[in-house]
Amino acid sequence: AQKITQTQPGMFVQEKEAVTLDCTYDTSDPSYGLFWYKQPSSGEMIFLIYQGSYDQQNATEGRYSLNFQKARKSANLVISASQLGDSAMYFCAMMEYGNKLVFGAGTILRVKS
Amino acid sequence: GAGVSQSPSNKVTEKGKDVELRCDPISGHTALYWYRQSLGQGLEFLIYFQGNSAPDKSGLPSDRFSAERTGGSVSTLTIQRTQQEDSAVYLCASSLLRGKPQHFGDGTRLSIL
Repeated sequence: AQKITQTQPGMFVQEKEAVTLDCTYDTSDPSYGLFWYKQPSSGEMIFLIYQGSYDQQNATEGRYSLNFQKARKSANLVISASQLGDSAMYFCAMMEYGNKLVFGAGTILRVKS
Repeated sequence: GAGVSQSPSNKVTEKGKDVELRCDPISGHTALYWYRQSLGQGLEFLIYFQGNSAPDKSGLPSDRFSAERTGGSVSTLTIQRTQQEDSAVYLCASSLLRGKPQHFGDGTRLSIL
């Protein structure tokens, strides 16, 4: 079974609008972490935001917020006020048992002007 | 520099040759990870170091792959008798502590002719 599922291979958003990138996960570890990374065409992996399984509040980092719904096992990334520079591949990842990240297949986001 | 440094950035070699990839983590980061990113397989975990020991080698695809870390800092990933299917981008990441967000280097793009 897939540990991390990103169902949107590609997304378009108009500049200055908000966009939600979906991520669902599956784990039996009660203590896990969820991460989002951005990979521009240049290739570097940029850490965006982290949510721990025991965190009571949804994580936020600037224009990024994580909509964490534990019962539904979803951890969607919300980007507000999209910018052209947000165009990139976005990966959802989970760390279970504190060792390694398991990545989803990614979502390509294109911001239109 | 302040980030994770990987070298070389690109490596082209003939099938059957051995290659060494180097990772210099962020100073003070105790955990170090190697991942591989390829078109067909996405992002895959290879190995995790805590200090100089490797408690999780479960992602190494064959015994042609090995890695070591010395002085709790620099790590080398070695691929012996390279095959064409080894062509990929090899990414190194480090984190301050196990379970914390991982910060990635720019990767080594390995091409096997």
